[in-house]
Amino acid sequence: NAGVTQTPKFQVLKTGQSMTLQCAQDMNHEYMSWYRQDPGMGLRLIHYSVGAGITDQGEVPNGYNVSRSTTEDFPLRLLSAAPSQTSVYFCASSPSPRKQYFGPGTRLTVT
Amino acid sequence: DQQVKQNSPSLSVQEGRISILNCDYTNSMFDYFLWYKKYPAEGPTFLISISSIKDKNEDGRFTVFLNKSAKHLSLHIVPSQPGDSAVYFCAAFISNFGNEKLTFGTGTRLTIIP
Repeated sequence: NAGVTQTPKFQVLKTGQSMTLQCAQDMNHEYMSWYRQDPGMGLRLIHYSVGAGITDQGEVPNGYNVSRSTTEDFPLRLLSAAPSQTSVYFCASSPSPRKQYFGPGTRLTVT
Repeated sequence: DQQVKQNSPSLSVQEGRISILNCDYTNSMFDYFLWYKKYPAEGPTFLISISSIKDKNEDGRFTVFLNKSAKHLSLHIVPSQPGDSAVYFCAAFISNFGNEKLTFGTGTRLTIIP
């Protein structure tokens, strides 16, 4: 049981580039979410999904897209990277939104 | 608008003593609260939770207290151990259909001094 896996662990992008952060879980959880962690800001919700085919926006969705075609996968797409998107990104899954299981994170730097 | 606040960015405590981490919230609709612990280069892990129908929940060395009238919760760690050094986040949840989101605080870095 791998839990929640995220790839890549580290990524450097140039302004304007696009990329996809991968997230997968093997616990058959319906609920998945993406957060970003910035100094002094805590964990802020970007997008979340309550099941395959259903996604919704969180607190800071601008500049990010998500889709949920399967229960296992919940990729986060950066459409045109900006320095303000430099952050650590965490994916989480859970059977309900309360007790979430987090992945190890992706550290993204946009130059 | 920060609905969940942890006003102490950092806290240092001697090993063996009690650590008290505090969290305040502004939205009276929150009815379920959680604490997460985060080590460097790892994702947060769930520590303990409490429903608003209770005012205290214990799990080993960890106790969470909830004061609904003050909109305040605290996490007590007794006795503190070096392995407790981490960043602690409190989080809050509204248990009604259509609101499936956790709101996190900004975190408190706890350092246990040997």
